[in-house]
Amino acid sequence: GENVEQHPSTLSVQEGDSAVIKCTYSDSASNYFPWYKQELGKGPQLIIDIRSNVGEKKDQRIAVTLNKTAKHFSLHITETQPEDSAVYFCAAGGNTPLVFGKGTRLSVIA
Amino acid sequence: NAGVTQTPKFRILKIGQSMTLQCAQDMNHNYMYWYRQDPGMGLKLIYYSVGAGITDKGEVPNGYNVSRSTTEDFPLRLELAAPSQTSVYFCASTHDRGRNTIYFGEGSWLTVV
Repeated sequence: GENVEQHPSTLSVQEGDSAVIKCTYSDSASNYFPWYKQELGKGPQLIIDIRSNVGEKKDQRIAVTLNKTAKHFSLHITETQPEDSAVYFCAAGGNTPLVFGKGTRLSVIA
Repeated sequence: NAGVTQTPKFRILKIGQSMTLQCAQDMNHNYMYWYRQDPGMGLKLIYYSVGAGITDKGEVPNGYNVSRSTTEDFPLRLELAAPSQTSVYFCASTHDRGRNTIYFGEGSWLTVV
């Protein structure tokens, strides 16, 4: 089955700096790669996703890149703000239920 | 729309007790999921359903049961609760599998003592 590895597990950045979170997956059949943000005491919420026919997708300060050959994808957050502080999860799937990474706790220091 | 609604929010169980976590969605989604989240371990799939009357095991189904009698509801049953089932449980739903947004509930915090 699918296996998703996510790094780093924790990340601290200064406000205004960029943050990058990386994930690798094992199943070449996976074709859908979403990223979720989880704030304290809440359920995860989708922030951006990418499909296998696209290499990069951007939404304001958030971007995701996908390298299907290497089986890895990354989340990039630019101009970080304190409200970006949360746990971020990557996931991979498609025709099977999504498999999630273990999460990255991002702290943005003002 | 309320989205995905989970009850209860918090519960303490004694070892050996049983309980049901309720989940309902009002988005007419076909697919529903139960995940558990342990600290530092991400989200593990317990059970999922692709439609009323159909359920399937996920990665960690032992100690749990589910049913899907209607499109809206997907309860999770814990039989003979064990300390290892102390976790945060999330119900989720999506219209179609894999390539559509999964919507999560707010979570149910369960402690087994």
